[in-house]
Amino acid sequence: AQKVTQAQTEISVVEKEDVTLDCVYETRDTTYYLFWYKQPPSGELVFLIRRNSFDEQNEISGRYSWNFQKSTSSFNFTITASQVVDSAVYFCALTERTGRRALTFGSGTRLQVQP
Amino acid sequence: KAGVTQTPRYLIKTRGQQVTLSCSPISGHRSVSWYQQTPGQGLQFLFEYFSETQRNKGNFPGRFSGRQFSNSRSEMNVSTLELGDSALYLCASSLAVTGGAGGEQYFGPGTRLTVT
Repeated sequence: AQKVTQAQTEISVVEKEDVTLDCVYETRDTTYYLFWYKQPPSGELVFLIRRNSFDEQNEISGRYSWNFQKSTSSFNFTITASQVVDSAVYFCALTERTGRRALTFGSGTRLQVQP
Repeated sequence: KAGVTQTPRYLIKTRGQQVTLSCSPISGHRSVSWYQQTPGQGLQFLFEYFSETQRNKGNFPGRFSGRQFSNSRSEMNVSTLELGDSALYLCASSLAVTGGAGGEQYFGPGTRLTVT
């Protein structure tokens, strides 16, 4: 069965620091998809990125970047020059081809960015 | 384009009652999935509907059920409510043209259910 582990329960940084959120996954499927979502205090999950198992290219979007490494089954998320508005709970998630759209979520990492 | 909408946003029910939650997906999206979020268990998949058919179901008791209408709107029902059903219930919609697994899922604001 698939599993997603986010070992960091809570991270606190000061504004403008860089921060990396770790995500390790387990799956038996060769075709799978990885996601990152942000959950601000309002509660709504906001989609950030999707990556399929055949695309190991890293991606950068503004201050956000993602590092996907199949060799270590990791899909880490880095925020550069963090801002107070980045404060939220971040979830890594996995769905397998055979599991259709059933997302398996990690337990989440709460990021607090202090001014 | 309007996002995923869920109604009601907050709900208080008593043990033993039943409840129906509603979800309207993004226009054009045909897949709707439901998730339960609790402090203890985190985010857990309940079920997914595509073209009015349940395509996948999570590990929840039969008290949890759902359906999807021809306009892709979905409802989930929880019968004989228990205290442990108190949670944030999130609905997600996906374009899912071919039914594959990889499409992005966009979430609604959730319905916070409190069972007393």
